[in-house]
Amino acid sequence: NAGVTQTPKFQVLKTGQSMTLQCAQDMNHEYMSWYRQDPGMGLRLIHYSVGAGITDQGEVPNGYNVSRSTTEDFPLRLLSAAPSQTSVYFCASSAGDNSGNTIYFGEGSWLTVV
Amino acid sequence: ELKVEQNPLFLSMQEGKNYTIYCNYSTTSDRLYWYRQDPGKSLESLFVLLSNGAVKQEGRLMASLDTKARLSTLHITAAVHDLSATYFCAVDSVKYIFGTGTRLKVLA
Repeated sequence: NAGVTQTPKFQVLKTGQSMTLQCAQDMNHEYMSWYRQDPGMGLRLIHYSVGAGITDQGEVPNGYNVSRSTTEDFPLRLLSAAPSQTSVYFCASSAGDNSGNTIYFGEGSWLTVV
Repeated sequence: ELKVEQNPLFLSMQEGKNYTIYCNYSTTSDRLYWYRQDPGKSLESLFVLLSNGAVKQEGRLMASLDTKARLSTLHITAAVHDLSATYFCAVDSVKYIFGTGTRLKVLA
């Protein structure tokens, strides 16, 4: 049972570089989302998707792009990394059918921008 | 904009004591979730509350939901060291918004 799989687990970037955090789920979940977690800030929603082809902004979308071409995958792109984007990133998914389904989280991706 | 607030942010308590963590939210929703996070780890689901008056219990933890007051509580009974973690509530309103978390430390 893979659940939600995030890669890479650790990454160091230089300021201005671009990269993509990958997220895949094998539970046929419609809802997927990305959060960032900074010390003392809890989890803040970056972008979310309620189904393939549909994405929307969360609380802190600036500096990040997403796309949802398939139900399984929801990659997060940093176009020009900044030190302020140093954080732990979590991908999450849920059945998203408004019946109150548990959100499943990936293991997290630790990103450092120097 | 949906806001989810938890208090306290930090809680240090002795083993054997009882305490309650509060989660307030700013919009109408009848779906509230509680999660636990250990240091350096991902989030683990604890409770899913789906209606006004819902109460769920697991071991020393009990969660409740009052949708009219827009308030959920997580009650800890006779705390033990293994409960030391950060606890998050989350509200489902199309998207899932999390509270800031409550860092709990149980002292022997």
